Amino acid sequence: DAKTTQPPSMDCAEGRAANLPCNHSTISGNEYVYWYRQIHSQGPQYIIHGLKNNETNEMASLIITEDRKSSTLILPHATLRDTAVYYCIVTFPNTGNQFYFGTGTSLTVIP
Amino acid sequence: DAMVIQNPRYQVTQFGKPVTLSCSQTLNHNVMYWYQQKSSQAPKLLFHYYDKDFNNEADTPDNFQSRRPNTSFCFLDIRSPGLGDAAMYLCATSRVLNTQYFGPGTRLTVL
Repeated sequence: DAKTTQPPSMDCAEGRAANLPCNHSTISGNEYVYWYRQIHSQGPQYIIHGLKNNETNEMASLIITEDRKSSTLILPHATLRDTAVYYCIVTFPNTGNQFYFGTGTSLTVIP
Repeated sequence: DAMVIQNPRYQVTQFGKPVTLSCSQTLNHNVMYWYQQKSSQAPKLLFHYYDKDFNNEADTPDNFQSRRPNTSFCFLDIRSPGLGDAAMYLCATSRVLNTQYFGPGTRLTVL
């Protein structure tokens, strides 16, 4: 079962930062937080992941609270192409990284 | 480019007629996953292979089977498709304990 809670939808003005929150209050010590996005009718696309520390790559930044019970994905300068459903996933690395998707956040970037 | 390939992209079958969906990868990943995504829902994990070891999710119907003849290929067999099996089927791959990479999906229509 999904272990994350996300707002169902958000809007963001083009060029502004998009901050997408995720609650994972039952996360355990070895579980990672992954973020993916899915543009309509395409396969999910990897964005970023982290364990404890904040992470940044060319697509986004991931801020994880100190107690690890929540995180925020930041798209620093949203463009229209960032309109998608964003999934926050908590997973324990095992023989496979089984992903149990939550309902995600539908982000609409407005011109 | 290394990638996850799914064939066909669109598949139409008749009620009760067996159908096979194909996934191949050039990433040489040892874990392969199959997800089902129904309209307006999040992807749902059906099963995964860690090398040749098959791991079924507890709530995956018996109607769904999978084969992995080698590292590169994995097949999803639906033995007797019902109208409720119409969905996007997503294949993903990963190295052990690592990020999943998704294919573009196969959209299955059941008439």
